[in-house]
Amino acid sequence: DTGVSQDPRHKITKRGQNVTFRCDPISEHNRLYWYRQTLGQGPEFLTYFQNEAQLEKSRLLSDRFSAERPKGSFSTLEIQRTEQGDSAMYLCASSWLAGETGELFFGEGSRLTVL
Amino acid sequence: AQSVSQHNHHVILSEAASLELGCNYSYGGTVNLFWYVQYPGQHLQLLLKYFSGDPLVKGIKGFEAEFIKSKFSFNLRKPSVQWSDTAEYFCAVNAGTGRRALTFGSGTRLQVQP
Repeated sequence: DTGVSQDPRHKITKRGQNVTFRCDPISEHNRLYWYRQTLGQGPEFLTYFQNEAQLEKSRLLSDRFSAERPKGSFSTLEIQRTEQGDSAMYLCASSWLAGETGELFFGEGSRLTVL
Repeated sequence: AQSVSQHNHHVILSEAASLELGCNYSYGGTVNLFWYVQYPGQHLQLLLKYFSGDPLVKGIKGFEAEFIKSKFSFNLRKPSVQWSDTAEYFCAVNAGTGRRALTFGSGTRLQVQP
C-alpha cells in the first residue's frame, strides 16, 4: 500500500498521560499536514510541514501539542498531559507542492480516547 | 481568513432521487475548491476539485459540482443517488496559490435508503 499510513489506529489513555502519533506520507510528497476531527465536524487544521520545516500552526495547537518531521519524511504528533477534550480523530495528509492546487491525500486517522 | 459553510447537516434520500448539497465559502481571492467523501469506516477521499477553467467539474461516481463565483458557492450534485453513496461529504477551500492548508466545512451526512 503506497498511501498515507498512520499509527496507532486507536489509542486509549488516561488523562494526564502523553501520547504520540506517527504518520508516514506518500513517499514523493513533500508536504505533510495534521488535522483533528471530532464527531459531527469537519477536519480542523492543526499544522503543516514542507519537507522538515513547520510552516504553519493553527491557534488550535496549544503548547501541549508538538509536531516534528525531522528528516522531511515521517512525522510525529505528540500531545502532552492529555485532557478529555483532546479525544478526537487525528488525521494526517500529504501533498505534492508542485501540484499547487492543494489536493490532500489522507490517512485513515488515529483515534484518541482520553479517559 | 478562509471559511466554508455547509448548510445541510443530514440529508436522507431514497435511491434514484437527485442530490444537491450546498457549499458556500468565504474568501476574497482566487480559490481552489474540493469535495471530499468519507464512506463509513474509510478515510477521506477526493471526489472532485475545481482550480480553474470550466466551472462545472465532474468527479468520480457520477458526481459533479458547479463553481458560481458571484455566489461564492460550489454545490455538489448527482442526478440519481445509490445506496452506496451513503457517506459524509465535506466541502473544502484553499487560496488559489495552494500554499495554505485546506479549510473544511462541517460536513453533510447523506443517508440513502434502498
